[in-house]
Amino acid sequence: EVQLVESGGGLVQPGGSLRLSCAASGFTFSNHWMIWVRQAPERGLEWVATSNQDGRERFYMDSVKGRFSISRDNAKNALWLQMNSLRAEDTAVYYCVRVGHLTADSWGQGTLVTVSS
Amino acid sequence: DIQVTQSPSTLSASVGDSVTITCRTSQSVSSWLAWFQQKPGKAPKLLIYLASNLESGVPSRFSGSGSGTEFTLTISSLQPDDFATYYCQQYNAYSPWTFGQGTKVEIK
Repeated sequence: EVQLVESGGGLVQPGGSLRLSCAASGFTFSNHWMIWVRQAPERGLEWVATSNQDGRERFYMDSVKGRFSISRDNAKNALWLQMNSLRAEDTAVYYCVRVGHLTADSWGQGTLVTVSS
Repeated sequence: DIQVTQSPSTLSASVGDSVTITCRTSQSVSSWLAWFQQKPGKAPKLLIYLASNLESGVPSRFSGSGSGTEFTLTISSLQPDDFATYYCQQYNAYSPWTFGQGTKVEIK
């Protein structure tokens, strides 16, 4: 059974940093592109960042470029999202997602990030 | 970015009804469209990929159709477990993934 377990969310002040982690199991992690998707009530579901299988190709939504960084360690079946210079509009539930059928075929339970003073 | 618009935003229906949700994209995405179901406090779940392909384990009362810019998700004979919010998503290779704003299917 595919399992994706996120951690690392919490309350952070504007301008602060957080590192989200995703532990993957139940599938061959190194075979899959992985992405982060976030969901905030006022903005709905948003794709945030993508990593290819070996981590060398990485893509970001425009509003997080230069602030967020996606990385992975295939030996540890782990995915991360380093988030710097956080803003109030980054407040959301962040999901770790596996790419299958070229789309988001498996999702973690999500971790809440709240950016507020 | 490709804009994705769903209609209606809310749909009231009864158990046993057949319901249809429409998704339109601002430019052609061929068949690169998926449908998800989300229940409160849970992550979205993939139902349909490539516009009309049923994900493994998803009941056959769910079906998808369309191509280009107009797509539909149909739930035939609505079951109590189907009351949820549904999202479409385009995954055209040359554009960032974008999602519709959601359609809440509620009990009439």
